[in-house]
Amino acid sequence: GENVEQHPSTLSVQEGDSAVIKCTYSDSASNYFPWYKQELGKRPQLIIDIRSNVGEKKDQRIAVTLNKTAKHFSLHITETQPEDSAVYFCAASLNTDKLIFGTGTRLQVFP
Amino acid sequence: GAGVSQSPSNKVTEKGKDVELRCDPISGHTALYWYRQSLGQGLEFLIYFQGNSAPDKSGLPSDRFSAERTGGSVSTLTIQRTQQEDSAVYLCASSRSALNEKLFFGSGTQLSVL
Repeated sequence: GENVEQHPSTLSVQEGDSAVIKCTYSDSASNYFPWYKQELGKRPQLIIDIRSNVGEKKDQRIAVTLNKTAKHFSLHITETQPEDSAVYFCAASLNTDKLIFGTGTRLQVFP
Repeated sequence: GAGVSQSPSNKVTEKGKDVELRCDPISGHTALYWYRQSLGQGLEFLIYFQGNSAPDKSGLPSDRFSAERTGGSVSTLTIQRTQQEDSAVYLCASSRSALNEKLFFGSGTQLSVL
């Protein structure tokens, strides 16, 4: 089955800097790669997703890149703000199969 | 309409007791997941229901864990003979279909086994 690894486990950045979180997956057939954000004490929420037919997707300050050959994908946050502080989870799945999450990255943005 | 609803929000039980956790997905959502989140840890997949298909139970950690989904709607996760290592937040999520769509999470049930 699918296995997703995520790095780093914690990341601290200064406000305004960029943050990058990386994930690798094991099943080369996986074709859907979402990212979820979980603020302290709250439920996870989808922030961006990418499908295997594209290599990059942007939404304002966040972007996701996908390298299918290497089986890895990354989340990029530019101009970080304190409200970006949260735990971020990557995930992977194939078509109608279950969604498997990475272990999470705790991002702290210092003012 | 309402989001994904889970009950109870908190459950404290004694080791060896059975517990039932309930999930009410968003109306019309055909896919339903259960995940477990231990303190400061990731989202561990437990079980996945999609429409009338047989559930994917590959994530259940032991035979003490079981889940049902009645009428394609409400789901119940049952843990028999609870152990201290079962203590965690149990999250339910639903999506409109299984075709790689956004998951809507409930607020979870915090289970504490004493």
